Amino acid sequence: KAGVTQTPRYLIKTRGQQVTLSCSPISGHRSVSWYQQTPGQGLQFLFEYFSETQRNKGNFPGRFSGRQFSNSRSEMNVSTLELGDSALYLCASGPSSTYNEQFFGPGTRLTVL
Amino acid sequence: EDQVTQSPEALRLQEGESSSLNCSYTVSGLRGLFWYRQDPGKGPEFLFTLYSAGEEKEKERLKATLTKKESFLHITAPKPEDSATYLCAVQETGGSYIPTFGRGTSLIVHP
Repeated sequence: KAGVTQTPRYLIKTRGQQVTLSCSPISGHRSVSWYQQTPGQGLQFLFEYFSETQRNKGNFPGRFSGRQFSNSRSEMNVSTLELGDSALYLCASGPSSTYNEQFFGPGTRLTVL
Repeated sequence: EDQVTQSPEALRLQEGESSSLNCSYTVSGLRGLFWYRQDPGKGPEFLFTLYSAGEEKEKERLKATLTKKESFLHITAPKPEDSATYLCAVQETGGSYIPTFGRGTSLIVHP
């Protein structure tokens, strides 16, 4: 069974730009969560989608948004990038919306200059 | 105050030198506690879920235990390939079930 895939793996943007990251979950998984990982804050929850509906949202500004398609693939968008948005963005999929056993992708390393 | 605190931040061991990593939590009610392993440049890999005090889970050289206030990840006779960052996450009862992650323990095992 193929694992969680994320594209692109690396991205360099400048302040003020916007970016879209993509995540393909494990086949059959309907829950997709997004996390931001930084050395200073660790792993922080962004939001979760289940069957195309946002079920939960973390404490991040509205510049961070996402969506999920009918095939469970998910995208995350960050608008008006700030230097502090530089991080590893991780996507995790699971069969349910209880986070009991999440399978993470390799992440997208975003650098904002 | 962090809800999940992992210690030590970093640990260096010689191959075969057993040790334990600690994850302490302060949530009012625990629904589940998760351990993950993260290798450099990769996403976290799920290891264990623990639900109640006294529960233990084992996988190869790793054994996770849980009390009412903390969890331990015991590593017996570690090998260099056990080198990684180990993350602990806690899920509170009620509410959204969103897990809160600790900062992790970076483990290096020298041959």
